Amino acid sequence: DIQMTQSPSTLSASVGDRVTITCRASQSISSWLAWYQQKAGKAPKLLIYKASNLETGVPSRFSGSGSGTEFTLTISSLQPEDSATYYCHHYNNYPIAFGQGTRLEIK
Amino acid sequence: QVQLVESGGGVVQPGRSLRLSCAGSGFTFSTYNLHWIRQIPGKGLEWVTMISYDGSNKNYADSVKGRFTISRDNSRDTVYVQMSRLTDEDSGLYFCVRGASGSRPFDYWGRGTLVTVSS
Repeated sequence: DIQMTQSPSTLSASVGDRVTITCRASQSISSWLAWYQQKAGKAPKLLIYKASNLETGVPSRFSGSGSGTEFTLTISSLQPEDSATYYCHHYNNYPIAFGQGTRLEIK
Repeated sequence: QVQLVESGGGVVQPGRSLRLSCAGSGFTFSTYNLHWIRQIPGKGLEWVTMISYDGSNKNYADSVKGRFTISRDNSRDTVYVQMSRLTDEDSGLYFCVRGASGSRPFDYWGRGTLVTVSS
């Protein structure tokens, strides 16, 4: 089974900062990787699919990159509403696996 | 609009069984794969199981294989997960999630139903 390792587990940054979160797969998943944002009490919201495709309606400050085993989610200019927990997951095959999550706090 | 509404959660003793249901509306239920994803409150997400649109293909996480069974009734627009031999590690919020078409993984999530395994 493919394991996903996400880092860092927590991140504190200021409004306007550029923020990067990394997700590594234990074996190649091609580009079958998605990123989600989850706020307290809500279901996760899809941000990026197939590694680098921005979901409709998601602000352009969010971007994704990578292929194979290493992927990144970048927020180009952090906004107060970006405070949330971010998750990656692969969907290359079953079982699907999520990363452990990154809690992003605004300083 | 697309809606997925979960039900069936509650408090159950370790070793017992529970069946969750998810009713879909606002879309052609019989043409979509469906998944269950769970989350311990304050913790991470864990994919649990999926069933294909016609029920012919099912997949399970290793942690539930042999204990959980997913099924669907397309005439009732409902998907089920029968959970048996429950342990405290099965506690969490269970989301019903629609598989998306194209290259997106999931597109709609329910609000979840809470399962608590406790003596």
